[in-house]
Amino acid sequence: GAGVSQSPSNKVTEKGKDVELRCDPISGHTALYWYRQRLGQGLEFLIYFQGNSAPDKSGLPSDRFSAERTGESVSTLTIQRTQQEDSAVYLCASSLNGGGETQYFGPGTRLLVL
Amino acid sequence: KNEVEQSPQNLTAQEGEFITINCSYSVGISALHWLQQHPGGGIVSLFMLSSGKKKHGRLIATINIQEKHSSLHITASHPRDSAVYICAVRSGGSRLTFGEGTQLTVNP
Repeated sequence: GAGVSQSPSNKVTEKGKDVELRCDPISGHTALYWYRQRLGQGLEFLIYFQGNSAPDKSGLPSDRFSAERTGESVSTLTIQRTQQEDSAVYLCASSLNGGGETQYFGPGTRLLVL
Repeated sequence: KNEVEQSPQNLTAQEGEFITINCSYSVGISALHWLQQHPGGGIVSLFMLSSGKKKHGRLIATINIQEKHSSLHITASHPRDSAVYICAVRSGGSRLTFGEGTQLTVNP
């Protein structure tokens, strides 16, 4: 596609439920990043994929968070047993090679945990 | 103390004014990015710098590696420039560390 896409655009869930967020990067981009932005706060790094491997997952806040990437394309971020503090906008970005070049951001998924 | 600090946090200007947003960082970096986040939430990458200066239209970004400081300038500001401007640094691997952002409002 022309840009990075994410789905769903909005998600409301109940505390304790699991959620899956999807990211479709720009075709041919080998690097994929997940970030989180809580209301009124700055962006936080969560995880970085190079191809289907995740050499840096140091930003995942707890073991309730996991992510995978398949086919060097689509990535899924899963949050298990959601908590209210997980409410945030989850942003995905991709770049051509992961060498620090320009990252292209998706529109984000707004997650609200009630 | 955050690794990346921006100033000011909020900035209000009149249309046509020259605007400067500052970013200081405390770690060694391989690159610095300036991003623009629109009111709807979309994020656009404006510049990536590792040295010197870059210009794109009315936007200019500079970096001083020795002083660990970067500035983003907007000439002849316009209300459509109203957005949050975010500084981010790449210090190791591919992860970015972000500043808190500067909320810019340009009034007509």
